[in-house]
Amino acid sequence: DAGVIQSPRHEVTEMGQEVTLRCKPISGHNSLFWYRQTMMRGLELLIYFNNNVPIDDSGMPEDRFSAKMPNASFSTLKIQPSEPRDSAVYFCASSFGGRETQYFGPGTRLLVL
Amino acid sequence: GENVEQHPSTLSVQEGDSAVIKCTYSDSASNYFPWYKQELGKRPQLIIDIRSNVGEKKDQRIAVTLNKTAKHFSLHITETQPEDSAVYFCAVPGAGSYQLTFGKGTKLSVIP
Repeated sequence: DAGVIQSPRHEVTEMGQEVTLRCKPISGHNSLFWYRQTMMRGLELLIYFNNNVPIDDSGMPEDRFSAKMPNASFSTLKIQPSEPRDSAVYFCASSFGGRETQYFGPGTRLLVL
Repeated sequence: GENVEQHPSTLSVQEGDSAVIKCTYSDSASNYFPWYKQELGKRPQLIIDIRSNVGEKKDQRIAVTLNKTAKHFSLHITETQPEDSAVYFCAVPGAGSYQLTFGKGTKLSVIP
């Protein structure tokens, strides 16, 4: 298995633009997580899905952020409009059962100018 | 929700010495305790985990010990090497939830 796949790996955009991050979890995993990591705030859980259903999105910063999981092999995290304070590394992780070992993707390094 | 405290936040050791990182948690029902290592610019990766039916687990130079009564577990790295330099995170499953709650991380620096 190739592990969790994320794209793009790097994204540079201007304030106000829409940003879409993509994730393909490990085949067979039924839980998917989106995290944001910054030096100031550390590793923050934004949202997680179980069996494609969003379970808890309380970590999503504001309405500018949205996430979808249309099927078991794909998820997106969208920021619209983006702001400089959204600059961070965004990780997607998956697991078999949410309380078990999580496998992280390589991350998307986002820079909003 | 689950409350996880990790100490210390930074740790510097001489190469060859041992390093210990400790995490405390609040939910007594927790039964799975993983440790992740994140090297600079890379993703967090599981290095070792322990389940509540054992008190200690070893894998070469790393070990994790668990004290369920006191609600804490620790990562031990012996004979540290420069490649052990990284940020280490503990994690604990929340009661009744589908997620892991991560500690704030410990930045370990191994000085050659």
